[in-house]
Amino acid sequence: QVQLQESGPGLVKPSETLSLTCTVSGGSINNYYWSWIRQPAGKGLEWIGRIYTSGSTNYNPSLKSRVTMSVDTSKNQFSLKLSSVTAADTAVYYCARDQGFDYYGMDVWGQGTTVTVSS
Amino acid sequence: QSVLTQPPSASGTPGQRVTISCSGSSSNIRSSYVYWYQQLPGTAPNLLIYRSDQRPSGVPDRFSGSKSGTSASLAISGLRSEDEADYYCAAWDDSLTLWVFGGGTKLTVL
Repeated sequence: QVQLQESGPGLVKPSETLSLTCTVSGGSINNYYWSWIRQPAGKGLEWIGRIYTSGSTNYNPSLKSRVTMSVDTSKNQFSLKLSSVTAADTAVYYCARDQGFDYYGMDVWGQGTTVTVSS
Repeated sequence: QSVLTQPPSASGTPGQRVTISCSGSSSNIRSSYVYWYQQLPGTAPNLLIYRSDQRPSGVPDRFSGSKSGTSASLAISGLRSEDEADYYCAAWDDSLTLWVFGGGTKLTVL
């Protein structure tokens, strides 16, 4: 079955850009939405945004000015960039397959990767 | 402040039935399906209920979901110690154009 794995630096300096990649295995990346969600320690889930394999995106308005998502179907990967990070962006970041609100929702999740923003 | 409202905690004894509520608005729960996720300590969320009342394969039928108007609920019957986890509801918000989550409910099995 489909599995997702996040990768990227675990430590990012304030004001720099956080970059994460999610690798999809066990299935095709094509014809799905792919979402990013984050969770600060001890807190709830926050949806960051999603990208369709055509490149179409939806971003959380609260983060939209700092978020860029991309997809590389040849590598079965999609990516997140979050610019001008602060300590408030410290969280566990998850990627997930997003089958839409009228189908299966976010049905497969990666294990998550911890990103700390600190100098 | 989460868009969807859940009680922060719930509890029950083994074998009991517990329910967790999720309250929203006309732009999310009323107009969308509701999804429920279980997050065991130190792990990623796992889909428990989709399209408000459907269970993915492998999810025990002890778990059930329902929706009415702008509210939804998750019921767990025959409570077990392994059900101790955080539970989150989610829905698509038509107005905000994003997925919204509840703040999560920590379930304790006494």
